[in-house]
Amino acid sequence: SQTIHQWPATLVQPVGSPLSLECTVEGTSNPNLYWYRQAAGRGLQLLFYSVGIGQISSEVPQNLSASRPQDRQFILSSKKLLLSDSGFYLCAWSLSSGNTIYFGEGSWLTVV
Amino acid sequence: GIQVEQSPPDLILQEGANSTLRCNFSDSVNNLQWFHQNPWGQLINLFYIPSGTKQNGRLSATTVATERYSLLYISSSQTTDSGVYFCAGGGGADGLTFGKGTHLIIQP
Repeated sequence: SQTIHQWPATLVQPVGSPLSLECTVEGTSNPNLYWYRQAAGRGLQLLFYSVGIGQISSEVPQNLSASRPQDRQFILSSKKLLLSDSGFYLCAWSLSSGNTIYFGEGSWLTVV
Repeated sequence: GIQVEQSPPDLILQEGANSTLRCNFSDSVNNLQWFHQNPWGQLINLFYIPSGTKQNGRLSATTVATERYSLLYISSSQTTDSGVYFCAGGGGADGLTFGKGTHLIIQP
């Protein structure tokens, strides 16, 4: 069966520091991969999605970037964090377009 | 992109009550999912239901694609049903658009 893991689960970072959140999917090949963010008390916002290695689409212009160095690895990064980057970040995957999307456990980021 | 509206935004019920949550979407979707976000933030898949009706225990969902809405029914509510329920829709590989959620509180 397929599984998705992301880490770290929680982190507190100072303003201006870099960020790297990692996500891996096991048990499938060539999944669609997604990064979402949930600000406090709000719904989920799609940040990036990827349909293949090196293929990244950005939904919202921001201080973040994403990379897909391997088929089942998705990384969310920032060179310099802002206070507004605080939130709950979720990685997700699906087999193909139109299919069920499954979420990882999430990463709580607090920028201080 | 599509717009997803959920109602009600908040709902407080006594244990044992039934509830209906609604999701309206602005355009046709190939993918419609319901999620339950638990107190730890994890999103639990409830239903993948672009059309038709499905049931899983005390939960059931119905999507009327031609009228662009979906309903989630919770019967005989338990305190463990508390949390935020999200509806999300989409048309392809570019992911799901989420509603703002319904915050459900089940009181003992």
